[in-house]
Amino acid sequence: DIQMTQSPSTLSASVGDRVTITCRASQSISSWLAWYQQKPGKAPKLLIYQTSSLESGVPSRFSGSGSGTEFTLTISSLQPDDFATYYCQQYNIYSGYTFGQGTKLEIK
Amino acid sequence: QITLKESGPTLVKPTQTLTLTCTFSGFSLSTSGVGVGWIRQPPGKALEWLALIYWDDDKLYKSSLKSRLTITKDTSKNQVVLTMTNMDPVDTATYYCAHRRGGQKTAMDVWGQGTTVTISS
Repeated sequence: DIQMTQSPSTLSASVGDRVTITCRASQSISSWLAWYQQKPGKAPKLLIYQTSSLESGVPSRFSGSGSGTEFTLTISSLQPDDFATYYCQQYNIYSGYTFGQGTKLEIK
Repeated sequence: QITLKESGPTLVKPTQTLTLTCTFSGFSLSTSGVGVGWIRQPPGKALEWLALIYWDDDKLYKSSLKSRLTITKDTSKNQVVLTMTNMDPVDTATYYCAHRRGGQKTAMDVWGQGTTVTISS
């Protein structure tokens, strides 16, 4: 199975900061990489699909990039609503899906 | 508007079989490219994908759980059922179902609210 490793596990930042979360795959994957935001007690929300495509209704301060085995989620200017846990997810047509272990974004 | 809702028992005894139902609306599971997946999340832990069923009845399972999982669909009822055998306390989690969007924009774009399942004697 393809393993996805996110870093950091926890990130402390302030409103207005630019933050980047990294997701590394155990082997080269296609562009089928998505990012989700999850708040306590809630279902995950899709932010980015196909590595860099912004889901409809998601603020443009969120962006994704990457290729091969390394992918990133960037929030250009943190807003109070952005403090949450973020997960990357890869999709392979043969083996299915894998999530990263999550990155908790905390208020500094 | 796409919606999904999970239902099933909240408490299951160890060694028993768990059966969860995902009832959805706003899309058809006979549309090319569409799928429904199941994902779980133990308390305080990460998301874990379990299984996916496609519009054409093709299925994918998490390899380490494949022997315990079965996913089926009833297109006429707009339902997807996940069964998981030989339940253990480590399977205690919130279980989500999600709509898998097809084509170039593929992603799990709409999720149910989740249902909490506790495994305990």
